[in-house]
Amino acid sequence: EDQVTQSPEALRLQEGESSSLNCSYTVSGLRGLFWYRQDPGKGPEFLFTLYSAGEEKEKERLKATLTKKESFLHITAPKPEDSATYLCAATLISNFGNEKLTFGTGTRLTIIP
Amino acid sequence: DAGITQSPRHKVTETGTPVTLRCHQTENHRYMYWYRQDPGHGLRLIHYSYGVKDTDKGEVSDGYSVSRSKTEDFLLTLESATSSQTSVYFCASRSSGNTIYFGEGSWLTVV
Repeated sequence: EDQVTQSPEALRLQEGESSSLNCSYTVSGLRGLFWYRQDPGKGPEFLFTLYSAGEEKEKERLKATLTKKESFLHITAPKPEDSATYLCAATLISNFGNEKLTFGTGTRLTIIP
Repeated sequence: DAGITQSPRHKVTETGTPVTLRCHQTENHRYMYWYRQDPGHGLRLIHYSYGVKDTDKGEVSDGYSVSRSKTEDFLLTLESATSSQTSVYFCASRSSGNTIYFGEGSWLTVV
């Protein structure tokens, strides 16, 4: 069964304390790996798409990386406004054209001032 | 941002009543999706559409139907709402660059 698993479920960091969120996937043929940010009461906001192992993408304090089995979202010197739930999702080669996303359950990140 | 708007944003309805949620996008995206989000389950695909009048089931489609009569509109209908359908519903659409954008959500409570 295709699965996307995120860890940890929740993470509390002091402002400025860097860390990483993990997304592991067991899918039969990964086509793309997506990262989203979701604030309470809002829809998911697109951050990154990664397509091949070794690929990296950056946006402000966030950097996403991809290996053959997992993806990491590295957050460097976070600020309180980075507090949110971060969602990971995968699309499969078998879904090419439909691009259906299989989501993990998310990591709830809290940055303490 | 795909200019996705959902309506209603909040609704309380009684068990057994029909409910329709509307999704409207302004980017002329071909693919549109309906997801539900529940604690412990994450986002799960209900139905999706790959063009006008072309739809298919997702992983949790039982009790739901969809229709797409125009490119910009994708409707989700609960024919007879049940308490298990209390959830947050998100509409999404896919850009030509293969990025999937989400709307702001519709909170549905079935009492």
